[in-house]
Amino acid sequence: DTGVSQDPRHKITKRGQNVTFRCDPISEHNRLYWYRQTLGQGPEFLTYFQNEAQLEKSRLLSDRFSAERPKGSFSTLEIQRTEQGDSAMYLCASSLYGVGRDREAGTDTQYFGPGTRLTVL
Amino acid sequence: DQQVKQNSPSLSVQEGRISILNCDYTNSMFDYFLWYKKYPAEGPTFLISISSIKDKNEDGRFTVFLNKSAKHLSLHIVPSQPGDSAVYFCAARSGGYQKVTFGIGTKLQVIP
Repeated sequence: DTGVSQDPRHKITKRGQNVTFRCDPISEHNRLYWYRQTLGQGPEFLTYFQNEAQLEKSRLLSDRFSAERPKGSFSTLEIQRTEQGDSAMYLCASSLYGVGRDREAGTDTQYFGPGTRLTVL
Repeated sequence: DQQVKQNSPSLSVQEGRISILNCDYTNSMFDYFLWYKKYPAEGPTFLISISSIKDKNEDGRFTVFLNKSAKHLSLHIVPSQPGDSAVYFCAARSGGYQKVTFGIGTKLQVIP
């Protein structure tokens, strides 16, 4: 399987605990994105990386959230001191920027993983 | 502030007929639009996209139409199949930013 993978698929934690999620993008993709999706809503952008550089962060990403992509391959998203409002599906996506038809369009297509469902009790 | 709006939460269509999913946007800076399909317990799957320099893009059974003056786009699925039953998200971005803004989705049910 060469798609985007995320681990774990489900996480249940108690309020105040720290959690960390992992995303492995499609191997040749240079961009990696994190989104959050709550019930009845569409995915909301959190942050993205080009290679190892974090280039954009949403205001949704409070200082309890931190994301890394240390070697430009997999990424981790950590939430410290979790709150019940953090309960959501956390989605990772990756893309290959600047190649092929996406270069012509001036943009890139994001391919999503299955997500990590977080429940904070 | 919902910049991408999908006003129909659900849609039911008979197998073989046309499914039309609608989307409106408010941000005039958006210049690239995408449709994603999502099955339960899976992440969204890219379906089709359209640049603002075009008004139509077709890929097999799927066609996306863009009306920039009305800030409206639609996804047509012809003919609809039971396997098309899923939640469809409309999404948009502006050229200088990689953030994709999603609508809340429309749940399509194709009845055999």
